[in-house]
Amino acid sequence: KAGVTQTPRYLIKTRGQQVTLSCSPISGHRSVSWYQQTPGQGLQFLFEYFSETQRNKGNFPGRFSGRQFSNSRSEMNVSTLELGDSALYLCASSFTGGANGELFFGEGSRLTVL
Amino acid sequence: DQQVKQNSPSLSVQEGRISILNCDYTNSMFDYFLWYKKYPAEGPTFLISISSIKDKNEDGRFTVFLNKSAKHLSLHIVPSQPGDSAVYFCAAPATGNQFYFGTGTSLTVIP
Repeated sequence: KAGVTQTPRYLIKTRGQQVTLSCSPISGHRSVSWYQQTPGQGLQFLFEYFSETQRNKGNFPGRFSGRQFSNSRSEMNVSTLELGDSALYLCASSFTGGANGELFFGEGSRLTVL
Repeated sequence: DQQVKQNSPSLSVQEGRISILNCDYTNSMFDYFLWYKKYPAEGPTFLISISSIKDKNEDGRFTVFLNKSAKHLSLHIVPSQPGDSAVYFCAAPATGNQFYFGTGTSLTVIP
């Protein structure tokens, strides 16, 4: 069974640009969530999608957005990039999206903003 | 506001000895906790969980203890092996798939 696939794995952008990251969940998983990992901050929740609907959103500015397609694949977009957006962006999928379950993470997309 | 805290950024342990990783939380409504393990250049992988109705859960070399009155949980690895060297995150679920994660503890097991 294929795991969670994230593309691209690495990317470099400059301030002011925008970026789109992609996530393909494990087959059959309907919930996709996104996290930002930065040194010293752990994993910060960005948002979660379940059956194409955003169910939860973390405390991030509106420059961070996402969507989920009918095949459960998800994208997140960051517009007007800032230096502080440099981070590892992790996607995680889950079958039910409920509590008391575990998340299956992809390897992440490492974004560097210059 | 960090609802799940790991106050030790790093820990070094000799191979064969016990590793104890600690985690504190602030919200007494949390009823489920998870530990994830992360190797460099890989995503976190689920390690072990515990429900608040229990105070201990064991899986092979890994045991998680929960002290609800102290809002504290710990992960014990016995015996520690070099392959256990990784960053360990504790986490608690909010709603849906929103989880609060700690900042992680980097464990180094010295051969």
